[in-house]
Amino acid sequence: EAQVTQNPRYLITVTGKKLTVTCSQNMNHEYMSWYRQDPGLGLRQIYYSMNVEVTDKGDVPEGYKVSRKEKRNFPLILESPSPNQTSLYFCASSPSAGRLNEQYFGPGTRLTVT
Amino acid sequence: AQTVTQSQPEMSVQEAETVTLSCTYDTSESNYYLFWYKQPPSRQMILVIRQEAYKQQNATENRFSVNFQKAAKSFSLKISDSQLGDTAMYFCAFRGSTLGRLYFGRGTQLTVWP
Repeated sequence: EAQVTQNPRYLITVTGKKLTVTCSQNMNHEYMSWYRQDPGLGLRQIYYSMNVEVTDKGDVPEGYKVSRKEKRNFPLILESPSPNQTSLYFCASSPSAGRLNEQYFGPGTRLTVT
Repeated sequence: AQTVTQSQPEMSVQEAETVTLSCTYDTSESNYYLFWYKQPPSRQMILVIRQEAYKQQNATENRFSVNFQKAAKSFSLKISDSQLGDTAMYFCAFRGSTLGRLYFGRGTQLTVWP
């Protein structure tokens, strides 16, 4: 089954404790992206990756890091989480950046930073 | 950056009736794509419909259709014969010439009542 998986699905952590949210896709997609969703703000793009070793900033990259060492994985790293990073996070992938209409979204990760 | 505006935070409609969700966007580009996504309570992101700006014909997918007014930069979603399962948050999104960048509106929460 074609899918994007995220782990963990729920996470409660404390300020300053480094964490990683993993994202993996099994469709051999070149393009992957991270979004955060906040009430009243919709989804905002954090980082995206056109292919392995190619990443670029979205609208809200501050406080986040990403890496794309292999095609299937695109982890989101919060080096020093703060309460304003409490949010619902989505990972997504598509065959290429020009085919976002075929974008698959993961199930989301609910992160709470206290 | 492109901006996408959804001016209706919440809407409600009775089952079997028709409802229209509005979306406007701001861009200086001539070639772009527009999308409507549905997010039910499960939080899954589902692509409902898309429109290519170069196409004059409005896109239609079963009970979902759009009214695309390029000059007015308007992209509304019409849902006919509303069903209880249409209850969801709906997001309008824009993809321009910068590959990989996707801009979302703040969303409209639609409730369909019996």
